[in-house]
Amino acid sequence: DAKTTQPNSMESNEEEPVHLPCNHSTISGTDYIHWYRQLPSQGPEYVIHGLTSNVNNRMASLAIAEDRKSSTLILHRATLRDAAVYYCILRALGSGGSNYKLTFGKGTLLTVNP
Amino acid sequence: NAGVTQTPKFQVLKTGQSMTLQCAQDMNHEYMSWYRQDPGMGLRLIHYSVGAGITDQGEVPNGYNVSRSTTEDFPLRLLSAAPSQTSVYFCASRRQGAAGELFFGEGSRLTVL
Repeated sequence: DAKTTQPNSMESNEEEPVHLPCNHSTISGTDYIHWYRQLPSQGPEYVIHGLTSNVNNRMASLAIAEDRKSSTLILHRATLRDAAVYYCILRALGSGGSNYKLTFGKGTLLTVNP
Repeated sequence: NAGVTQTPKFQVLKTGQSMTLQCAQDMNHEYMSWYRQDPGMGLRLIHYSVGAGITDQGEVPNGYNVSRSTTEDFPLRLLSAAPSQTSVYFCASRRQGAAGELFFGEGSRLTVL
C-alpha cells in the first residue's frame, strides 16, 4: 500500500490560513487522496478528498501537485475549533479488499493559538 | 440524525472476560468497519464488512470476532479479553462507491485489567 508522510505537528494563529502538507511519492494512478480530522475525544470526521484536480468544499481546500506525489490541505481561516489531528490517507479505487481499507497514519496535530 | 451509534461508551473488563461492542448505523451503508486507536499509533483496522453476511480481516484481527447479519448492525466480540486490548474502538460506515465518505461513531473506551 502507498504510504503518506505528514509532519507530526503544526501551529497556527486564529483567523490565519493553514497549509497542511502530505507527501505520497508512491501513489498509484487510481489512489484517491482523502483527508480526515479528529477533534479531541471524538471519532475522525471526513474533511475532503480528491483524485487529480484541486477540490474545494465548505470546510477546506485540497491542492494536489501535478505529479500527485504531494498534496496540501488548506484551511482558509483557522478557528480554535480546527485544532485537531489531521490525517492524509490514500484509498485505492477498484474491486477487492484494498478498495475498502483506509489506513490511518499518525497524522499532524494542529494547534491553533488565539 | 443518529448516524453511527456505538455502545457502550466506556467499559472495564477483567482479563479473560468476554464482551460485545455494539455498532449500528441508520444510513443504509453497505460497508462497515472497526478500528482501534492506541496512543501514538493512529487508527488500525480490525475487521470490515462490505455487506450483510460478508466480513473480512483488517490489520489487527486477532482476538476479535465480527458478524454481519443485518445491514444496520456490526458487533465486535472479544471472546477472552486481554490487557493488550485496552484501547479506544471506533466503528465506521460508508456507502459503497468509488470515494465514499467514511462516517465514524463517537468511540468506545475499553479498559482490560
